Amino acid sequence: GIQVEQSPPDLILQEGANSTLRCNFSDSVNNLQWFHQNPWGQLINLFYIPSGTKQNGRLSATTVATERYSLLYISSSQTTDSGVYFCAVERVLAAGNKLTFGGGTRVLVKP
Amino acid sequence: EPEVTQTPSHQVTQMGQEVILRCVPISNHLYFYWYRQILGQKVEFLVSFYNNEISEKSEIFDDQFSVERPDGSNFTLKIRSTKLEDSAMYFCASRVGGGPYEQYFGPGTRLTVT
Repeated sequence: GIQVEQSPPDLILQEGANSTLRCNFSDSVNNLQWFHQNPWGQLINLFYIPSGTKQNGRLSATTVATERYSLLYISSSQTTDSGVYFCAVERVLAAGNKLTFGGGTRVLVKP
Repeated sequence: EPEVTQTPSHQVTQMGQEVILRCVPISNHLYFYWYRQILGQKVEFLVSFYNNEISEKSEIFDDQFSVERPDGSNFTLKIRSTKLEDSAMYFCASRVGGGPYEQYFGPGTRLTVT
């Protein structure tokens, strides 16, 4: 099956700092989503971004499908940005259209 | 904005008991999914469901698991005889079509098996 690797595994930031999270995948995809898992365990949809660039407030994401990676940018980080960030991909012609998740990046933003 | 809902938010059960986790997908969506996340691990696919039948299932989804769409709005996951290792967060998801569309996730049900 498709492999999804996220880096770094852990990230500690000072409030106000910027950061970049990376997601690499091993095969062609037609769906890529970024999620934030909050302290209560809920998965919050951040971006649906199979290709191109999107921005939502202080967050933005870029997917370069031909090179099999996606980046999530967090600017001017706040303590509420803490949590685990997951990317998930759907391989082209994946059986059942399932999403395969990466291992996540755990982010801690310190005040 | 429409959202996927799940009940209960937290369920505690004893080993060997049957549990049913409930989900209400977004109303015009046709494809439904269950995923599982054991504490501290990544989210794993369990099963996908379309047109009243399973379209794909993982190796985790053995004979102890079943899914059903009993009416036009609910989508359920049943575990017949729970084991300690079934303790996890269970997420339901739905999407409008079978193409490359976004999957919308519910808030999850935390299942604790004692």
